[in-house]
Amino acid sequence: EPEVTQTPSHQVTQMGQEVILRCVPISNHLYFYWYRQILGQKVEFLVSFYNNEISEKSEIFDDQFSVERPDGSNFTLKIRSTKLEDSAMYFCASSVHEEKLFFGSGTQLSVL
Amino acid sequence: EDQVTQSPEALRLQEGESSSLNCSYTVSGLRGLFWYRQDPGKGPEFLFTLYSAGEEKEKERLKATLTKKESFLHITAPKPEDSATYLCAVQSPTSPQKLVFGQGTRLTINP
Repeated sequence: EPEVTQTPSHQVTQMGQEVILRCVPISNHLYFYWYRQILGQKVEFLVSFYNNEISEKSEIFDDQFSVERPDGSNFTLKIRSTKLEDSAMYFCASSVHEEKLFFGSGTQLSVL
Repeated sequence: EDQVTQSPEALRLQEGESSSLNCSYTVSGLRGLFWYRQDPGKGPEFLFTLYSAGEEKEKERLKATLTKKESFLHITAPKPEDSATYLCAVQSPTSPQKLVFGQGTRLTINP
């Protein structure tokens, strides 16, 4: 069964450093998303991407964040200058339509 | 602002003991209500989508129902492998690509 693949599974970085989280969505999907889950808290929407541009974003998704689909298969989330409060599990998801999202297993980001 | 509240936060059942999980929601026009299952260290796994009050969906031991203010996930004769966190999320017409999640119900089924 097709699945969303995320790498790395764990990322440790120093505060102020840039990180790039990578995702390979399911191949025939058209919508791509990033969500995050801080330990013990709700899963939160960050951004959605459709037709090669950001279609929706939350208040969390400020200028420190960016997304790219550099080729036909990868979807990346870049955090330009990480803060302690960026520590969370980051989930990539994809969907054919604007529903029934398929989530990856996540990247656990730890900012020290 | 769209909000989702799930109860209880945690539920421990014996194998075979049926129960229900609750999801109360406030949304500016419901486009869809979603149930997901999340295992530790994994991403949410899609279970059901409900669109209108009165709708029901079933999958194995799970049945999801929807009213205008809440949704229930009924678990019939659960097995230990049903142990997981169950997440509810809503989608509004004004933000169709954004799911707003509840905090989840952590379900444990003891053999």
